[in-house]
Amino acid sequence: AQKVTQAQTEISVVEKEDVTLDCVYETRDTTYYLFWYKQPPSGELVFLIRRNSFDEQNEISGRYSWNFQKSTSSFNFTITASQVVDSAVYFCALSEAGSNFGNEKLTFGTGTRLTIIP
Amino acid sequence: DAGITQSPRHKVTETGTPVTLRCHQTENHRYMYWYRQDPGHGLRLIHYSYGVKDTDKGEVSDGYSVSRSKTEDFLLTLESATSSQTSVYFCAISEPQGKTQYFGPGTRLLVL
Repeated sequence: AQKVTQAQTEISVVEKEDVTLDCVYETRDTTYYLFWYKQPPSGELVFLIRRNSFDEQNEISGRYSWNFQKSTSSFNFTITASQVVDSAVYFCALSEAGSNFGNEKLTFGTGTRLTIIP
Repeated sequence: DAGITQSPRHKVTETGTPVTLRCHQTENHRYMYWYRQDPGHGLRLIHYSYGVKDTDKGEVSDGYSVSRSKTEDFLLTLESATSSQTSVYFCAISEPQGKTQYFGPGTRLLVL
């Protein structure tokens, strides 16, 4: 069975500091997909990134970067120069490609609540 | 933004009453999902659909049923609501092969 662990329940940092959100996953599949979603105080779920298991290249998008390491089963998310608007709950999720028709279920971590202090 | 709407957005009901939540998409995506979000649990899959009239159970399906008679609509029914079903319910859509799931705005349900 697949599992996603976000050990950091809550993090608070002062604005402009860098912060890393950890995500560790478990899966028996060789083909899988990893995701990060943001849930701001307004409650909607916003897609941030999708990464497949064959692509270990790190990705940077503005102040956001992601570090995917298969050797440690981790997919960590770093925000550089944090801003108050980054305050949200962040979820890491895993989808196994599988061979069964319809096997597209996402397993979510429990989320990390990030608070940026002005 | 993906065209996904959920109705109602908020609902208060009493224990034992039936409740139906609707998810509507305009993206023509094949897969649709219902999740519930509770503190300390993240999002958990209730049911999903991989085509019209094709549905399957998720992790927390007890007490829930679903139907999909059209590509664009996916209904979640609580036959007899209980207080443990107080939650925020999210609908999602995607295409197959691990494609990104996009979420609706959520429905906040309170069962008294």
